[in-house]
Amino acid sequence: QVQLQGSGPGLVKPSQTLSLTCTVSGDSISSGSYFWTWLRQPAGRGLEWIGRIYTSGSTNYNPSLKSRVSISLDTSENQFTLNLSSVSAADTAVYYCARDQKGNGWYREWGQGTLVTVST
Amino acid sequence: DIVMTQSPDSLAVSLGERATINCKSSQSILYSSNNKNYLAWYQLKPGQPPKLLIYWASTRESGVPDRFSGSGSGTDFTLTISSLQAEDVAVYYCQQYYTTPPYTFGQGTKLEI
Repeated sequence: QVQLQGSGPGLVKPSQTLSLTCTVSGDSISSGSYFWTWLRQPAGRGLEWIGRIYTSGSTNYNPSLKSRVSISLDTSENQFTLNLSSVSAADTAVYYCARDQKGNGWYREWGQGTLVTVST
Repeated sequence: DIVMTQSPDSLAVSLGERATINCKSSQSILYSSNNKNYLAWYQLKPGQPPKLLIYWASTRESGVPDRFSGSGSGTDFTLTISSLQAEDVAVYYCQQYYTTPPYTFGQGTKLEI
């Protein structure tokens, strides 16, 4: 059974880059036909889809964040990483990593969530 | 982007009673070639990741109690909890996966007793 574990700093200063890693266990990140995805939930607000990376390395990003987002795979560590640049208080949220199978679109497997606060 | 609008924003239901949450999409999310509605429902509790309840609008995820059911087609969908249990207190979200990303979620419905 695949498990996802997000990790990263809980506090980031404004204008800096937020970096989070999702470590996958129970399956190889480079096997199968899966999209490895980042989502977030700001306090008191709904879920927002940030972007995803396919096992081939191709990516899709939310246009609202596209200029600031990059997602990458590290197959040697079985991890995928989110980088979000030029952060502001509006980027304060619980960040989730998740997996969906190509051809589906729903998320059965999620990481536990990482709270990131943007503040001085 | 497809906009998903849930109603109501919050809902209080007595134990054992029926709870109904609605979700409306700004365009049809029914794919005519396979007659599937590209809609999922999730349950979110504090300190936990979202839990998948329903996909393809009406297919219950394995292990989800059968008091949870999904219905609807096109642009209008419903999540029904037939007999509310205490552990069902949560925020519920619908999600469309019809379009090329970004996939979008409703704003959430808070269910209370």
